[in-house]
Amino acid sequence: GNSVTQMEGPVTLSEEAFLTINCTYTATGYPSLFWYVQYPGEGLQLLLKATKADDKGSNKGFEATYRKETTSFHLEKGSVQVSDSAVYFCALGGSNTGKLIFGQGTTLQVKP
Amino acid sequence: EAQVTQNPRYLITVTGKKLTVTCSQNMNHEYMSWYRQDPGLGLRQIYYSMNVEVTDKGDVPEGYKVSRKEKRNFPLILESPSPNQTSLYFCASSFSTPLGTGATYEQYFGPGTRLTVT
Repeated sequence: GNSVTQMEGPVTLSEEAFLTINCTYTATGYPSLFWYVQYPGEGLQLLLKATKADDKGSNKGFEATYRKETTSFHLEKGSVQVSDSAVYFCALGGSNTGKLIFGQGTTLQVKP
Repeated sequence: EAQVTQNPRYLITVTGKKLTVTCSQNMNHEYMSWYRQDPGLGLRQIYYSMNVEVTDKGDVPEGYKVSRKEKRNFPLILESPSPNQTSLYFCASSFSTPLGTGATYEQYFGPGTRLTVT
């Protein structure tokens, strides 16, 4: 069945460092791919998405490119801030049930 | 403001005592869903609803019930809670996926309900 695998956390970075959080997926067909972010004590909110191969989603300095050849959707940011500290979830959609399949989440901690 | 609300935000209860977690959205979304979040497992879908009076099981439906009598509300019912249902619960809503397209719209999440069953 469809699944999503994220890199293990936590990830600890200094402010202004480069961020990569790896995400790979297994799916049939052409699923939509998402990154959601969960700030402490809050619900999930959509960070970015891509709906077809080679699409690049971007928002708030974060980017991710839908790579069908490597079945990946890695999240990147050139210069992280303390305010980016949160849990990041990669998710796969595209089923007719509307279900999102989530990775296990990666905790990012950015230190000043 | 477009939002999904859940109540209560925190709940501590005892085994076997029936409870309901409410969920309401004001975006006129057809699709609503419940997820539970557990450490190391991400979010897993419990139940979903494509529209009023249409509900179906997700991946982990055992011990839960839902109903969808109105478009805006989608309560989650635990008839006889057990300690393994201790978790963080999220309600989500979106516009419905056009049948056969495989597309998935952005889902909007509520703030979460932290449930502890002792």
